[in-house]
Amino acid sequence: DQQVKQNSPSLSVQEGRISILNCDYTNSMFDYFLWYKKYPAEGPTFLISISSIKDKNEDGRFTVFLNKSAKHLSLHIVPSQPGDSAVYFCAASVVGGTSYGKLTFGQGTILTVHP
Amino acid sequence: KAGVTQTPRYLIKTRGQQVTLSCSPISGHRSVSWYQQTPGQGLQFLFEYFSETQRNKGNFPGRFSGRQFSNSRSEMNVSTLELGDSALYLCASSPRGQGTYNEQFFGPGTRLTVL
Repeated sequence: DQQVKQNSPSLSVQEGRISILNCDYTNSMFDYFLWYKKYPAEGPTFLISISSIKDKNEDGRFTVFLNKSAKHLSLHIVPSQPGDSAVYFCAASVVGGTSYGKLTFGQGTILTVHP
Repeated sequence: KAGVTQTPRYLIKTRGQQVTLSCSPISGHRSVSWYQQTPGQGLQFLFEYFSETQRNKGNFPGRFSGRQFSNSRSEMNVSTLELGDSALYLCASSPRGQGTYNEQFFGPGTRLTVL
């Protein structure tokens, strides 16, 4: 039962254009969402997060949008740069209750930004 | 501030052996979570420790165990290794306890190969 899904295994964009990475979730208890970037042979690097009380959060070139009714979030990268080429993971968590320290990850999307 | 460190970075073991992996969290972080990453299953939560107590455990067999020390450093142990235990094992630390929005910061991982 995959509670967090990234349906696009890969995405290719031109440098300077917008990259949009999508993520869907099924567990309505999730109330905190995060995006991570991962290079080969390294651990995931935290990019940006959003709580369920918001629908948008921006940090520089990165913006995350949350649509709770659709159980969907997206990460926008504008403008895209070749250094953004990596695997992007969407993750979700339940802040309260007993789900301590657990992030549920999607399968990842490989982003390639062409010069 | 130094990031999360994991030792060793690479490990080769044979079936039936046991292995211990080590994680040092970011200074001041008290929560440590462990994850297993494989090509087939993606990133899967193993367990989380806070103040030397395991507060949450994922769906893994009892061969997978861990502990946390008073300085927040953590170890995980896998006994009676199987070929399917070959994976990247990631440790992540978080600054705050449950009930708040927590980003997790990951180490570089330990690549375990079981022959």
